[in-house]
Amino acid sequence: RKEVEQDPGPFNVPEGATVAFNCTYSNSASQSFFWYRQDCRKEPKLLMSVYSSGNEDGRFTAQLNRASQYISLLIRDSKLSDSATYLCVVNKKDTDKLIFGTGTRLQVFP
Amino acid sequence: DVKVTQSSRYLVKRTGEKVFLECVQDMDHENMFWYRQDPGLGLRLIYFSYDVKMKEKGDIPEGYSVSREKKERFSLILESASTNQTSMYLCASSSPAPVMLFFGEGSRLTVL
Repeated sequence: RKEVEQDPGPFNVPEGATVAFNCTYSNSASQSFFWYRQDCRKEPKLLMSVYSSGNEDGRFTAQLNRASQYISLLIRDSKLSDSATYLCVVNKKDTDKLIFGTGTRLQVFP
Repeated sequence: DVKVTQSSRYLVKRTGEKVFLECVQDMDHENMFWYRQDPGLGLRLIYFSYDVKMKEKGDIPEGYSVSREKKERFSLILESASTNQTSMYLCASSSPAPVMLFFGEGSRLTVL
């Protein structure tokens, strides 16, 4: 079983739609969680950290469910510019190593 | 803003050649990393470094070595390039806990 698993998609949604991605992780000792965004042929960039209580940044909401070992990303009012691959990233306890999922591709159409 | 600069965006090398990929960061970060990214496999950690002259193997170190002589610079070396090392190579830096990575633009290596 992969340490971090994501549905590869693609998720094709119209502008204005709400879309959600989930990511599951296998190591219950994982401590830190992040969502990164990667545009085609570009480097990954940090989108947001995921906190235990859940957190929101504008149209983006991240949630953590430790009991079920998954994190989620919700995007409201999708824009064309949200089209990208979203990478789920998990940090092992007591280490600076980050484990990346293979990404979920989102395509927003007019 | 954190700036991570990789020396070459695109390289084409022949099997058996030695390849140097250089990475420089300007934020005085202790941690630096080298990943490779392949379709369907995601980002995989090759090597990382917590400090000058210090290095640790990641998940796929075979066929690679690294050098960190100065805090801001982390080099990835392919002693004898092979076709299965054709990939996108991404360098990143971070401060310690919580680890948040800042990536360079990537170096796309093709080995013929």
